[in-house]
Amino acid sequence: GESVGLHLPTLSVQEGDNSIINCAYSNSASDYFIWYKQESGKGPQFIIDIRSNMDKRQGQRVTVLLNKTVKHLSLQIAATQPGDSAVYFCAERVLTGGGNKLTFGTGTQLKVEL
Amino acid sequence: GAGVSQSPRYKVAKRGQDVALRCDPISGHVSLFWYQQALGQGPEFLTYFQNEAQLDKSGLPSDRFFAERPEGSVSTLKIQRTQQEDSAVYLCASSLHRGISNTIYFGEGSWLTVV
Repeated sequence: GESVGLHLPTLSVQEGDNSIINCAYSNSASDYFIWYKQESGKGPQFIIDIRSNMDKRQGQRVTVLLNKTVKHLSLQIAATQPGDSAVYFCAERVLTGGGNKLTFGTGTQLKVEL
Repeated sequence: GAGVSQSPRYKVAKRGQDVALRCDPISGHVSLFWYQQALGQGPEFLTYFQNEAQLDKSGLPSDRFFAERPEGSVSTLKIQRTQQEDSAVYLCASSLHRGISNTIYFGEGSWLTVV
């Protein structure tokens, strides 16, 4: 079946470096993607989203890149800080019929080393 | 309220016991979702409401799981005759409208442990 998945389960970076978290998706019908951050013991927190008719979108210290040719999504975090340590999920949003479903990947643990 | 509120935050149930998990969505949000998150995994879709109508319950794992939103605001997820495999975090989320670009906001979750 269709799925959204991540290449790297754990990513360790030095404080101040840039982080890149990758995600592969397989549902070619998806037209909307979201990155969520989940800290230990908390619910997922929205970071940034992108539509399939875009290839790049920037937020505050974060950039999402979408490559539809290879069905690849990435999240770039500039000047990574200790507070960025968390699990990051990519997700696709699908509207089918009367449904409204968000499908998550398995997540990447980002560890920021001082 | 300022965010999605869930209660209880933590619940320990004996196998076979029924549990009820409550969700208060952000005020005015039409869409409400329930997700199940096992340890170390991403959230898995359970069900979706638009106002009081349950439009998608394709993710409910068995007929022991039941969700309702009778007045289009507060929602309850009920699990009957709990089993150990039901142990997970149950996340509630809401969005203002059904539109695809409407941000989905999550609560902190209800942590269920079945012993």
